[in-house]
Amino acid sequence: DIQMTQSPSSLSASVEDRVIITCQASQDSSNYLNWYQQKPGKAPKLLIYDASNLETGVPSRFSGSGSGTDFTFTISSLQPEDVATYYCQQYKNLPLSFGGGTKVEIK
Amino acid sequence: EVQLVESGGGLGQPGGSLRLSCVASGFTFSSYAMNWVRQAPGKGLEWVSAMSGSGGSTYYADSVKGRFTISRDNSKNTLFLQMNSLRAEDMAVYYCAKVFGMGILGAFDIWGQGTMVTVSS
Repeated sequence: DIQMTQSPSSLSASVEDRVIITCQASQDSSNYLNWYQQKPGKAPKLLIYDASNLETGVPSRFSGSGSGTDFTFTISSLQPEDVATYYCQQYKNLPLSFGGGTKVEIK
Repeated sequence: EVQLVESGGGLGQPGGSLRLSCVASGFTFSSYAMNWVRQAPGKGLEWVSAMSGSGGSTYYADSVKGRFTISRDNSKNTLFLQMNSLRAEDMAVYYCAKVFGMGILGAFDIWGQGTMVTVSS
């Protein structure tokens, strides 16, 4: 099974700050890596698929990069509406697996 | 509008059963693989099960294998999750999710609103 390790587990940043979240896979996941945003009480929302592709309608301040075992998710200019928990997810192998999540707050 | 709407959650007894449903609209349901993902209270996301568009292939997490059964009725645009032998650790919000693209595995681009399953005597 592929284990996904996200860091940090939480962060606090100011509006317009650059925010970076990392996700490390325990095995090569190629580029089969997705990023989701989940706001409290809501379903997750797909932001980035296949490591670096921006889902339609998602603001361009969100981006993703990486391949193999190391991946990065970036919010280039944090906005108040970005307060949420972010998850990475691999689909290279079954069972599909998610990272533990990163809770992003405004300082 | 592309939409998934779950139902069927509620209170189930330990060892008991529940059946979840997920009705799809706004897309050609039979063309896409579907999944169930759950989230225990205050915890992260856990993949539960997947089914191909035709229904011919199914996959399960080890934690539910032999107890849960995924199925679909493409004539009614509906995905199901039969949950038997419920355990306390099955208590969670259950989401159905559509796979992006034509493969069985992929990103989940459409999610339902979730249905809460509580397991308690």
